Amino acid sequence: GEDVEQSLFLSVREGDSSVINCTYTDSSSTYLYWYKQEPGAGLQLLTYIFSNMDMKQDQRLTVLLNKKDKHLSLRIADTQTGDSAIYFCAERAPLVFGKGTRLSVIA
Amino acid sequence: EAQVTQNPRYLITVTGKKLTVTCSQNMNHEYMSWYRQDPGLGLRQIYYSMNVEVTDKGDVPEGYKVSRKEKRNFPLILESPSPNQTSLYFCASWSSGNTIYFGEGSWLTVV
Repeated sequence: GEDVEQSLFLSVREGDSSVINCTYTDSSSTYLYWYKQEPGAGLQLLTYIFSNMDMKQDQRLTVLLNKKDKHLSLRIADTQTGDSAIYFCAERAPLVFGKGTRLSVIA
Repeated sequence: EAQVTQNPRYLITVTGKKLTVTCSQNMNHEYMSWYRQDPGLGLRQIYYSMNVEVTDKGDVPEGYKVSRKEKRNFPLILESPSPNQTSLYFCASWSSGNTIYFGEGSWLTVV
């Protein structure tokens, strides 16, 4: 079955880059997603990438997809305290989530 | 405005008392799904539906029922809630495009 794995915690200093990694198993996924969840809030779609793309950039966010290794990463440039949240990667088929990576930003 | 609406948003109930969490979407989406979110476990799919009268089990269906009699509604039914069903529940809907819409979440506590 589908499985999505990601590390549970990441801590970075304000201003540094954050890289959150994710691996997935379903090679037929056409879309891969990153969601952000702030404390006590719902899920916010950050960005997504089509499976035929290698990279997608959206302001401070860069998504890299290595389809051969089934590896997805989210890079947040110039990380701010407002980026502290749980980040979920997900693959479509229907939507299967990783357990989430809790990003803590140290001022 | 495109939205997925869940009710109730917050509920404290007692073990064994049947309850229903409603989910409604106004986008004519074919697909709908229910997730529960628990600390350290992320979001796990309970049930999903590909269209009216078509439902399938997700990863954690035990203790839950769903129905899809109309396209817009996908209620989650807990026939006999137990404390291990205390969780944050999300409903989602989508069509064949890429955008998946989530409800705001329903906090359920079973005592």
